[in-house]
Amino acid sequence: DQQVKQNSPSLSVQEGRISILNCDYTNSMFDYFLWYKKYPAEGPTFLISISSIKDKNEDGRFTVFLNKSAKHLSLHIVPSQPGDSAVYFCAASANAGGTSYGKLTFGQGTILTVHP
Amino acid sequence: DGGITQSPKYLFRKEGQNVTLSCEQNLNHDAMYWYRQDPGQGLRLIYYSQIVNDFQKGDIAEGYSVSREKKESFPLTVTSAQKNPTAFYLCASSTPGGHGYTFGSGTRLTVV
Repeated sequence: DQQVKQNSPSLSVQEGRISILNCDYTNSMFDYFLWYKKYPAEGPTFLISISSIKDKNEDGRFTVFLNKSAKHLSLHIVPSQPGDSAVYFCAASANAGGTSYGKLTFGQGTILTVHP
Repeated sequence: DGGITQSPKYLFRKEGQNVTLSCEQNLNHDAMYWYRQDPGQGLRLIYYSQIVNDFQKGDIAEGYSVSREKKESFPLTVTSAQKNPTAFYLCASSTPGGHGYTFGSGTRLTVV
């Protein structure tokens, strides 16, 4: 049962344009969502996150949007740069605040390629 | 610098042999996790531990074993019972109430 899904295995974008990566989830208990970026043969690094009490969070070129009713989130990268080429993982946790550890459930990942 | 160290980066083993992957962290994090990455399947949770001397199975624990004798260390043993052990293995850690993980750089295990 795939609770977090990234239905696009890959995305190709021209440098300077917008990259939009999508993620869907099925578990209504998820209340915190994160995006990780991963280069080959390296561990993922945290990119941006959003709590379920918000519908948008922005950090520089990266913006995450959350649509709770649709159980959908997206990551926008504007403008896209060749260095953004990597695998992007969407992740979700339930009851991530307080004393819990917020065990993460990951999507399958989307390979983003930004062409110069 | 604080972080998570996984060793070795590449590991080759013959089929039928057990192999142990090392994971050490100096972040003083309570929780540690092992994930496996396969092409097209994302990161799947193998085992996790929230405190010393305690750990729980994740989604794909069969064929794996772990121990948590020290807060800093969470080694993963891939046993001969694991049917498809060739994969990229990632270790991570987190704190209570923390909203994300710190990952190690991974170990690529190839069983021949």
